[in-house]
Amino acid sequence: EDKVVQSPLSLVVHEGDTVTLNCSYEVTNFRSLLWYKQEKKAPTFLFMLTSSGIEKKSGRLSSILDKKELFSILNITATQTGDSAVYLCAVFYGQNFVFGPGTRLSVLP
Amino acid sequence: NAGVTQTPKFQVLKTGQSMTLQCAQDMNHEYMSWYRQDPGMGLRLIHYSVGAGITDQGEVPNGYNVSRSTTEDFPLRLLSAAPSQTSVYFCASSRSGGKSKAYTEAFFGQGTRLTVV
Repeated sequence: EDKVVQSPLSLVVHEGDTVTLNCSYEVTNFRSLLWYKQEKKAPTFLFMLTSSGIEKKSGRLSSILDKKELFSILNITATQTGDSAVYLCAVFYGQNFVFGPGTRLSVLP
Repeated sequence: NAGVTQTPKFQVLKTGQSMTLQCAQDMNHEYMSWYRQDPGMGLRLIHYSVGAGITDQGEVPNGYNVSRSTTEDFPLRLLSAAPSQTSVYFCASSRSGGKSKAYTEAFFGQGTRLTVV
């Protein structure tokens, strides 16, 4: 069965810490992997990864994909309270997106 | 720049009632989809469409119908509401990414919180 697994499911850190969120997948006909941030409402897009080993970066966030080992990581450096959210990993395969359960990140002041 | 618009934002239904959740996008996206989000389970695909006149089932289609008569609109119908359909529903759209035929990132509506009592 196609699936996306995220770990940890929940994480509590203090401001300034660096965190690494993990996403592993097992799908057929993989096309891309996406990361989203979800606060109180709709998920907002962070990154889309299609090629192995190429890091995508946006400010303090970065992500990389390993298509051989079927996983991706999302790094957040120097965390801030505004980073508190659920981070969703999604894989686009065939004609569908499948989402993982999300990692709930809480950043304490 | 409206993007993806969902209505209503909140809805309470009695068991057995039917209703339609509306979704419209103004980005001329080919791909549209409906998800439900339940605590600890991420987003699960209900139905999707790759273009007007074409729909298909996702992971959890039972109890829901969709249609895609235009590119812009993708309504989700609950035929006979059940308490198990209490959830937050998201509509999303994407466009074709070109040569790879992969779709771009999904743009989400703001969600509909549905409670069935």
